[in-house]
Amino acid sequence: QVQLQQSGPGLVKPSQTLSLTCAISGDSVSSNTAAWNWIRQSPSRGLEWLGRTYYRSKWYNDYEASVESRITINPDTSKNQFSLQLSSVTPEDTAVYYCARDDVLMAGISYYFDYWGQGTLVTVSS
Amino acid sequence: DIQMTQSPSSVSASVGDRVTITCRASQGISDSLAWYQQKPGKAPKLLIYAASSLQSGVPSRFTGSASGTDFTFTISSVQPEDFATYYCQQAKTFPPTFGQGTRVDIK
Repeated sequence: QVQLQQSGPGLVKPSQTLSLTCAISGDSVSSNTAAWNWIRQSPSRGLEWLGRTYYRSKWYNDYEASVESRITINPDTSKNQFSLQLSSVTPEDTAVYYCARDDVLMAGISYYFDYWGQGTLVTVSS
Repeated sequence: DIQMTQSPSSVSASVGDRVTITCRASQGISDSLAWYQQKPGKAPKLLIYAASSLQSGVPSRFTGSASGTDFTFTISSVQPEDFATYYCQQAKTFPPTFGQGTRVDIK
């Protein structure tokens, strides 16, 4: 059974960097079929996919265009986890942030999110 | 980006009722669509993928179907634990995008 456990601060000041970590159990961040995603949810924007990291003989990242200049998702193979960093945050970045897995073994394609972290409410405020 | 439009935004139902939710994609996505259930304070839960495939462990009262760019999600007989918000999501093209959600509440 795959489990994703999120950690990180719930309050970030404007212009600073939001940092969250997602620890994986029951799977490997270096899996050749899984990808490790960050998704956020807010009342104004709904569910919004932010980006992912995955390993296919080498590491890849994909990012949503609206945050691409501010986002970094990194794997940490030594701890079997991955992280999200979002820089220069504004109150518009206030949301519940989720990590999630997708695996191409499910249906031959990506982007079906079958395991999710518990969510972290991140508030951007001074 | 592909826009996903769900309707209705909310529906009231009694236990045992049949509930149907629709989702329309702004362009063709084949059968690359998922449905999720979300309860307050919890993460979304995958119910259906590939438009009509039931995720392991999900009750068979949940079904999905596709017709062109229109997708239908049905709960054949709503149970007390089914009162929640449901989202569709396209998995065809980058970036994946979600519908705005449909809240199913108790009549």
